[in-house]
Amino acid sequence: SQQGEEDPQALSIQEGENATMNCSYKTSINNLQWYRQNSGRGLVHLILIRSNEREKHSGRLRVTLDTSKKSSSLLITASRAADTASYFCATDGEYGNKLVFGAGTILRVKS
Amino acid sequence: EAGVVQSPRYKIIEKKQPVAFWCNPISGHNTLYWYRQNLGQGPELLIRYENEEAVDDSQLPKDRFSAERLKGVDSTLKIQPAELGDSAVYLCASGRETQYFGPGTRLLVL
Repeated sequence: SQQGEEDPQALSIQEGENATMNCSYKTSINNLQWYRQNSGRGLVHLILIRSNEREKHSGRLRVTLDTSKKSSSLLITASRAADTASYFCATDGEYGNKLVFGAGTILRVKS
Repeated sequence: EAGVVQSPRYKIIEKKQPVAFWCNPISGHNTLYWYRQNLGQGPELLIRYENEEAVDDSQLPKDRFSAERLKGVDSTLKIQPAELGDSAVYLCASGRETQYFGPGTRLLVL
C-alpha cells in the first residue's frame, strides 16, 4: 500500500518557470524524502527532511514539511529541460528504514 | 564508487516460467531492499535485508517469490512460476536512511 499521495499527477511548464509538487501522507513519520526517476532509470535521492524540520534547501530545490497537516511540498526553481522526470515522495515511518512511496508526479519541462 | 548493479536489465518470459534477478549493492552497505514498481506507480517494498537476514518480508508473495542474500552482499530475487501480473520493474536498493537504487530489471510476462 502506498502512503504518500502526490499532487498534481502531471505538470507541464516552460523552462525557467518554477515547479511545485505536493505530497500528503497518513501516519507519523521519522523523515520524508523526495526522489527523482528519469524514464527507464532507477530512482535518485534528492533531499531528506526530518520530522522536526520545517524547510530545507538544496541548490534549486526547496522542501517544506508540515507535520500537523501531514503534507510536504517540493519546489524546483528556474526549471530546466533536464528536470523532466517523475518525482516521488517517500515517508520513513517511526520504526525506520522502511520507505513508503507515493504514486509520483510526472514533470515535463518544455524548452 | 560503483552504484547498485542489477542484471538483467530486461527479461521477457512466458507465464509459468521461472525468472531470477540479481543485485550487487554499493560496497559496505549492509541494508539491501527489493522493490516492485508497477507502471505509473511508486516502488513497493518486497523485502529488506540487514546483512544476510531478511528483516521485513511481509510484502513478499511467498507462494511464488523467494529471495536470498548469501554472505550478506549480493542478492537474488526469484519468481517461480511467473504470472502475467508479475510484469513490472524490479528495483534493488541499498543504504540506510538514504537509499541508492539500481537501474532495475524490466520484466514482461507473456
